[in-house]
Amino acid sequence: EAQVTQNPRYLITVTGKKLTVTCSQNMNHEYMSWYRQDPGLGLRQIYYSMNVEATDKGDVPEGYKVSRKEKRNFPLILESPSPNQTSLYFCASRRGGTGSYEQYFGPGTRLTVT
Amino acid sequence: AQSVSQHNHHVILSEAASLELGCNYSYGGTVNLFWYVQYPGQHLQLLLKYFSGDPLVKGIKGFEAEFIKSKFSFNLRKPSVQWSDTAEYFCAVNAPGSGTYKYIFGTGTRLKVLA
Repeated sequence: EAQVTQNPRYLITVTGKKLTVTCSQNMNHEYMSWYRQDPGLGLRQIYYSMNVEATDKGDVPEGYKVSRKEKRNFPLILESPSPNQTSLYFCASRRGGTGSYEQYFGPGTRLTVT
Repeated sequence: AQSVSQHNHHVILSEAASLELGCNYSYGGTVNLFWYVQYPGQHLQLLLKYFSGDPLVKGIKGFEAEFIKSKFSFNLRKPSVQWSDTAEYFCAVNAPGSGTYKYIFGTGTRLKVLA
């Protein structure tokens, strides 16, 4: 089954404790992306990757890091989480190219930073 | 900078009523436009998209949207809503000619359909 998976689905952590949210897709997609969803703000793109070793900032990259060493994986790293990073995070992937292709979204990771 | 505006934040309709959700974007060049739906507790799913050709696009579940370039709009419509359409709807834009591959989403419209 074609899908995007994220782990963990739920995470409660404390300020400053480094964490990684994993994202994996099995569709051989070139493009992968991370979003955060907050009430009243919709989805905001954090980082995206056009292909292996090619990443770029979205609209809200501060406090996040990403890497793309393999085509199927695109982990999101929070080196020093803060309470304002409490949010619902979605990973997505699509075929490469100029952007007319559908993005497929993962199930989401609900992160709480206390 | 690109932006997307969804003017209706909350919409409540009775079953069988017609639906129109507004979406306006700000970018003067070529755009790809999308409507996604998020059912309660689920991830986003694509309803429909426009990238070229016929400005009236039809999607899944009886939804359609019309791209009006002169108005920078991509409004979503459905002639007769059902209780199962209760969800949050997001408009999104991608501008391939902008030099980036970012996606900009609107803030969403929560639709509640009363049975």
